[in-house]
Amino acid sequence: GAVVSQHPSRVICKSGTSVKIECRSLDFQATTMFWYRQFPKQSLMLMATSNEGSKATYEQGVEKDKFLINHASLTLSTLTVTSAHPEDSSFYICSAREVYTGELFFGEGSRLTVL
Amino acid sequence: GESVGLHLPTLSVQEGDNSIINCAYSNSASDYFIWYKQESGKGPQFIIDIRSNMDKRQGQRVTVLLNKTVKHLSLQIAATQPGDSAVYFCAENSVVNTGKLIFGQGTTLQVKP
Repeated sequence: GAVVSQHPSRVICKSGTSVKIECRSLDFQATTMFWYRQFPKQSLMLMATSNEGSKATYEQGVEKDKFLINHASLTLSTLTVTSAHPEDSSFYICSAREVYTGELFFGEGSRLTVL
Repeated sequence: GESVGLHLPTLSVQEGDNSIINCAYSNSASDYFIWYKQESGKGPQFIIDIRSNMDKRQGQRVTVLLNKTVKHLSLQIAATQPGDSAVYFCAENSVVNTGKLIFGQGTTLQVKP
């Protein structure tokens, strides 16, 4: 089946630094990708919709200047957490929507720990 | 089941029994629903889906029931196995045909050997 790869799977950074997380569709094209955040023992919360070649659409309450999203190609979206703080520590998960069938595929997630 | 505060409800079943996991969804306009299984430290894994023009769909050992009148979704797992232990989420496609999913709060399934 289709594969969505996230990199890195785990990252630890110091407070105040920026971290980039990649989401790649390995064997299909995706004009739309989605970024979710999941805190321990909670559900997935949609952060933003990443659109290839245009600006991302953010959900209410998500700071677009803090969570920068770039979707420069049909197979790659990146999420950059800028000036990370301990409260940004979370599990970040992306999904990609196959351009022809509309099927959704999820990545394995990226665990961010901010010290 | 319903969740209170930040705690995921837990369903504990004996191996070999059937499991029923429930979910209440929020948007009466949602037209597509999916059940996902999530193991610790991993991304969601697709189990089964159903469109709003159906009220039941069966897969291998799993059945999804949709009751649009009360906005309720359930996942039935037959002959539950230890490998079924995980957190289960329902998700609704809140904006038609976009892939934008809203997830329910989740239920932890514990299978006792």
